[in-house]
Amino acid sequence: GIQVEQSPPDLILQEGANSTLRCNFSDSVNNLQWFHQNPWGQLINLFYIPSGTKQNGRLSATTVATERYSLLYISSSQTTDSGVYFCAVDMRGSTLGRLYFGRGTQLTVWP
Amino acid sequence: NAGVTQTPKFRVLKTGQSMTLLCAQDMNHEYMYWYRQDPGMGLRLIHYSVGEGTTAKGEVPDGYNVSRLKKQNFLLGLESAAPSQTSVYFCASSFGGKYNEQFFGPGTRLTVL
Repeated sequence: GIQVEQSPPDLILQEGANSTLRCNFSDSVNNLQWFHQNPWGQLINLFYIPSGTKQNGRLSATTVATERYSLLYISSSQTTDSGVYFCAVDMRGSTLGRLYFGRGTQLTVWP
Repeated sequence: NAGVTQTPKFRVLKTGQSMTLLCAQDMNHEYMYWYRQDPGMGLRLIHYSVGEGTTAKGEVPDGYNVSRLKKQNFLLGLESAAPSQTSVYFCASSFGGKYNEQFFGPGTRLTVL
């Protein structure tokens, strides 16, 4: 299967700081999703972004499919941004839709 | 719309007991998935279904069975629970095909003693 690597594994920020999370993948993909797992364990869809750039409030994401990576930008971070951020990909050529997950980036935002 | 729901939210089993986890979705999705999440790891696929009446094995299927008798429901069964099956279980669904955004349920936390 496809390999998905996320960096950094842990990130600690002061409220108001900006951050960039990275996701590298080893093969071509049909789609890429970013999720936020909040402290209660719920997985929240952030972006469905197989290529290009999208923005949603303080968050934005860019996927460069030809170079096999995606970036998640968080600006003016807030304590509610804390949690684990996962990148997941669906391998190109597959119609099964199964997602391969990275191990996540644990983000802690201090007030 | 409720989206994807899972029952129960928490469960404690003894080794050797059986149980069934229920996933339901009201988005008319064709594809449904069961994943497990272990500490420090991303989610791994257990079984999936690409339509009513169909099921297939994922990455870690051993010790689990599934059924998809109705389009909106996907059941995950543990016939004889083992401590290694202690995990958080997530169900997901999507329309399927090449462009396939998945939506996840809230999870079921299972402990096997």
